[in-house]
Amino acid sequence: AQKVTQVQTEISVVEKEDVTLDCVYETRDTTYYLFWYKQPPSGELVFLIRRNSFDEQNEISGRYSWNFQKSTSSFNFTITASQVVDSAVYFCALSSANTGFQKLVFGTGTRLLVSP
Amino acid sequence: DAGITQSPRHKVTETGTPVTLRCHQTENHRYMYWYRQDPGHGLRLIHYSYGVKDTDKGEVSDGYSVSRSKTEDFLLTLESATSSQTSVYFCAIAGGRSQETQYFGPGTRLLVL
Repeated sequence: AQKVTQVQTEISVVEKEDVTLDCVYETRDTTYYLFWYKQPPSGELVFLIRRNSFDEQNEISGRYSWNFQKSTSSFNFTITASQVVDSAVYFCALSSANTGFQKLVFGTGTRLLVSP
Repeated sequence: DAGITQSPRHKVTETGTPVTLRCHQTENHRYMYWYRQDPGHGLRLIHYSYGVKDTDKGEVSDGYSVSRSKTEDFLLTLESATSSQTSVYFCAIAGGRSQETQYFGPGTRLLVL
C-alpha cells in the first residue's frame, strides 16, 4: 500500500520567515517518484518538482528547496524568506512502479498562510 | 503551461440527474486522469486512461464512468448524481518526455443538491 502523510494541516508565518512543509511517504516499491504541487487561492494545481527514488540529491530553485531522505521516507519542502504570494495549499504526492507510475497518491495538503 | 481545459467550470445539478464533465487537451498526451478533491482527503483518483478506449479504475470509481473516444477528450459521467459527489473535479494529463509527471486542468466545481 502507498500512503503520503502531511501532518501539518495549516501553517501561519510572517513574511520573510523560513518555513518547512513536511511530507512522509510509505511504499514497498524501490522505484518511485515524489512530487510537490501548489494550489493557490485561485484553485489551480501547479506542478513544482518531481524526484525519483534513486536521486537523493537536494534541490534548490530560487527560494524553494527540497530535502529527500530515503532513510526517514521524507521529502520536505522549505521556502526561504517567505512572501505573501507563497500563500497556498501545498500537496505532496507519490507514484510507484507497481502501478506503472499512473496512480498519484496525494497527501491531504498543508495550507500555508503568509502574512505581511 | 499544459493545454488542458475542462468544461463546464461550474455546475449545479439535482440528485438523480446524469452529469458529464469534459476534459480536453491539445498536447496529444497518451495519459489522462480524473481526480476529485474533497476537504481532508486531498485529491483522489477516480479513473484514468492510457489510450483511446483504454481506461482503468482508480481509488474512488464507484458511481462514475469514463470514456475516451479521441486522444484529446476524456469524459467523466455521473450516471445518477448524489450529494456525496459534490466536489471539485480535476483532470490531468501526462505524456511526452515526462510521462510520470501529471499536469492539471483548472478544475470543475460540481454541486449536487
